[in-house]
Amino acid sequence: GESVGLHLPTLSVQEGDNSIINCAYSNSASDYFIWYKQESGKGPQFIIDIRSNMDKRQGQRVTVLLNKTVKHLSLQIAATQPGDSAVYFCAEGYGQNFVFGPGTRLSVLP
Amino acid sequence: DGGITQSPKYLFRKEGQNVTLSCEQNLNHDAMYWYRQDPGQGLRLIYYSQIVNDFQKGDIAEGYSVSREKKESFPLTVTSAQKNPTAFYLCASSIGGVRQTQYFGPGTRLLVL
Repeated sequence: GESVGLHLPTLSVQEGDNSIINCAYSNSASDYFIWYKQESGKGPQFIIDIRSNMDKRQGQRVTVLLNKTVKHLSLQIAATQPGDSAVYFCAEGYGQNFVFGPGTRLSVLP
Repeated sequence: DGGITQSPKYLFRKEGQNVTLSCEQNLNHDAMYWYRQDPGQGLRLIYYSQIVNDFQKGDIAEGYSVSREKKESFPLTVTSAQKNPTAFYLCASSIGGVRQTQYFGPGTRLLVL
């Protein structure tokens, strides 16, 4: 497969544990945020989004938390499974722009 | 199935050659985008198009060209002027403008011979 992120920070978690992936965004004017999952050699897959008028949103096994005060976004994955192993990156939207973070590699240990 | 397709999966370019990457979507999305992905970096926008026959340069448009003759198709040409073309190229589309959720294709890996 392709190496999407050779020098990315890595988070290793035991199968069944919860994972928390963090993202610091840059622009206080950003009002729309997305988390993507990217497996090796594949295109990014939409996971969950949140707008700035919310501070929490839940999906299936995933929760996104937004702290606008410190410009921080997190993705929580409950009961992490081997299929969750991938690179996860956030995107922040402001004006006519989207800015994508480099991502974090999640490694699920058996 | 609805989705975005990119072809080829791998593409090899000889020095001085122009190559074209294909992107097709059947989601009836108005907007389409091309990004470049390099190891350890976030996606960088090359070009985007919000409607047919119109497109705008992104952050790294130099050495690339696009066309949008049909709503479904947004091909990217990597010209010989792009001196460092080796990268993973991702096409995306969204219902409306740039601020809508973008859905990605599977990508094309471009390598230089």
